[in-house]
Amino acid sequence: DAGVIQSPRHEVTEMGQEVTLRCKPISGHNSLFWYRQTMMRGLELLIYFNNNVPIDDSGMPEDRFSAKMPNASFSTLKIQPSEPRDSAVYFCASRRLGGFGTDTQYFGPGTRLTVL
Amino acid sequence: GENVEQHPSTLSVQEGDSAVIKCTYSDSASNYFPWYKQELGKGPQLIIDIRSNVGEKKDQRIAVTLNKTAKHFSLHITETQPEDSAVYFCAARKAAGNKLTFGGGTRVLVKP
Repeated sequence: DAGVIQSPRHEVTEMGQEVTLRCKPISGHNSLFWYRQTMMRGLELLIYFNNNVPIDDSGMPEDRFSAKMPNASFSTLKIQPSEPRDSAVYFCASRRLGGFGTDTQYFGPGTRLTVL
Repeated sequence: GENVEQHPSTLSVQEGDSAVIKCTYSDSASNYFPWYKQELGKGPQLIIDIRSNVGEKKDQRIAVTLNKTAKHFSLHITETQPEDSAVYFCAARKAAGNKLTFGGGTRVLVKP
């Protein structure tokens, strides 16, 4: 399997611009997570979906952040408008819910976002 | 909610020595404890995990121990090698839950 795929790998944008990060989970996985990683705050869970439905978005920092999962193989995280403090590495992870041996969350390679 | 504390934040060891990283968790309902290794420029990768119904688990040079009473768990790496240099994260998850709560990470440097 190709693993979790994220795009773009790097994004540099100017303050105020809209940013869209994309994720393709592992085929057959039905739970998807978005994380943000910074030196100051470590790994933070932003939101997660089960079966394409948002379950917990309590980690989404502000209304400027939104996430969608229109189908089982695609999710987006959008920031509009972006601010310099949004600069971080954003990870997507996926997992197959239920059954023996399905505990593992598999992480993608991340998108490094820089907002100037 | 769950809170996971991880120590030390940095660890420098000589190649061949052992490394130990410790984590404590706050929620007694947590029952799944994975450890992830993150290399530079990559996403975290699971290296070992343990469930609350066992006290220890080993996989070659790595092992994890769990003390449910004290609510702490540890990662042990024996015979460290330069390729063990990375950031290691512990995490905890509640039974029937889906959210992982991560510790702050430990940067391990193995000196040749």
